[in-house]
Amino acid sequence: QKEVEQNSGPLSVPEGAIASLNCTYSDRVSQSFFWYRQYSGKSPELIMSIYSNGDKEDGRFTAQLNKASQYVSLLIRDSQPSDSATYLCAGNSGGSNYKLTFGKGTLLTVNP
Amino acid sequence: DVKVTQSSRYLVKRTGEKVFLECVQDMDHENMFWYRQDPGLGLRLIYFSYDVKMKEKGDIPEGYSVSREKKERFSLILESASTNQTSMYLCASQWGQGEQYFGPGTRLTVT
Repeated sequence: QKEVEQNSGPLSVPEGAIASLNCTYSDRVSQSFFWYRQYSGKSPELIMSIYSNGDKEDGRFTAQLNKASQYVSLLIRDSQPSDSATYLCAGNSGGSNYKLTFGKGTLLTVNP
Repeated sequence: DVKVTQSSRYLVKRTGEKVFLECVQDMDHENMFWYRQDPGLGLRLIYFSYDVKMKEKGDIPEGYSVSREKKERFSLILESASTNQTSMYLCASQWGQGEQYFGPGTRLTVT
């Protein structure tokens, strides 16, 4: 069974620090990975997609993918209290599989 | 921007009632999904649809059915609601094998 594993946290960082969120996956065929942010009581919001090995940067967010190690991470620079949320990692498989497998999420708290 | 809407944000139903949850997307996406999310269990896929009138079971289809008569609309049906179906229900849409975009969710309480 395909699995996506995340540390459940909570992860607590001070304002202005770098928050590092990690995810491992079991399906070697997985091609695409996504990070979602979910505020309490709200639905998941897509923040990053990454499809190839290496880093992808978007503002304060950097996604990193290492397919050999089956590892994907999200770095949040200059963390703000508004970044406090649960972060979900998701991956799909190549071929005709549309489905995403989601991790259970890591709760991040940014302390002012 | 992709917009996915769901018919209700909050819903309270009684045990045994038939419940309809509707989802509409405006981006002409082929694929649509229904999930439920419960504390400690994460997101679990109930059903998905990759085309009009096409559907496939997800991981937890028991007690649910779906309908997709038009490309933009995907409905989740609880044939006879039970208390263990109290949950947050999330609809998502997707083009191809790319990102999934979620609606705001429906928090359903079955009493």
